[in-house]
Amino acid sequence: DVKVTQSSRYLVKRTGEKVFLECVQDMDHENMFWYRQDPGLGLRLIYFSYDVKMKEKGDIPEGYSVSREKKERFSLILESASTNQTSMYLCASSWTSGMNEQFFGPGTRLTVL
Amino acid sequence: AQKVTQAQTEISVVEKEDVTLDCVYETRDTTYYLFWYKQPPSGELVFLIRRNSFDEQNEISGRYSWNFQKSTSSFNFTITASQVVDSAVYFCALSGVDQFYFGTGTSLTVIP
Repeated sequence: DVKVTQSSRYLVKRTGEKVFLECVQDMDHENMFWYRQDPGLGLRLIYFSYDVKMKEKGDIPEGYSVSREKKERFSLILESASTNQTSMYLCASSWTSGMNEQFFGPGTRLTVL
Repeated sequence: AQKVTQAQTEISVVEKEDVTLDCVYETRDTTYYLFWYKQPPSGELVFLIRRNSFDEQNEISGRYSWNFQKSTSSFNFTITASQVVDSAVYFCALSGVDQFYFGTGTSLTVIP
């Protein structure tokens, strides 16, 4: 079974802190994705990556950056956390693109105070 | 533009009732894929089904069935004889060349 793990289920940070959210997948997937989920807005794509050291902006990249130094690991970085980044963050991975389903991690609920 | 609309925000049904979750999509692509995911209270999205744009056959899996109609750009999901374990948020998604486009989700509550 595909497994996508995220470093924390719950995280509380203060405004201005630098925040790292880690995601690891164990199925050698090429693609990895970061979403945020907010009530009434569904899932919105922040960044995605098709290969190591490669990244593409999604629909809402402002205030975020990513890093993919190894194929299995995709990190989301909040350089200076703000209260409007309080949200559920979901990581996903898939083979190639388009036609293949994405497999999701359990999510990280981030609260920025 | 790619877009998925799930007009039903919340639905409540009594156990054993049938329920249909609506999904309408927009795309200019001729080849695309449609998906349904379930998000139980635990939070992790679970893949349910994938459909490609060339296959309009309906699909049934146990109590779940899906109706894909290109003429109306819809990909609806029906749960027959609903159970409390079906309570979750359900997302419909459209895939183009490089990314998924998710609807806003429908929260289903099955009342015992």
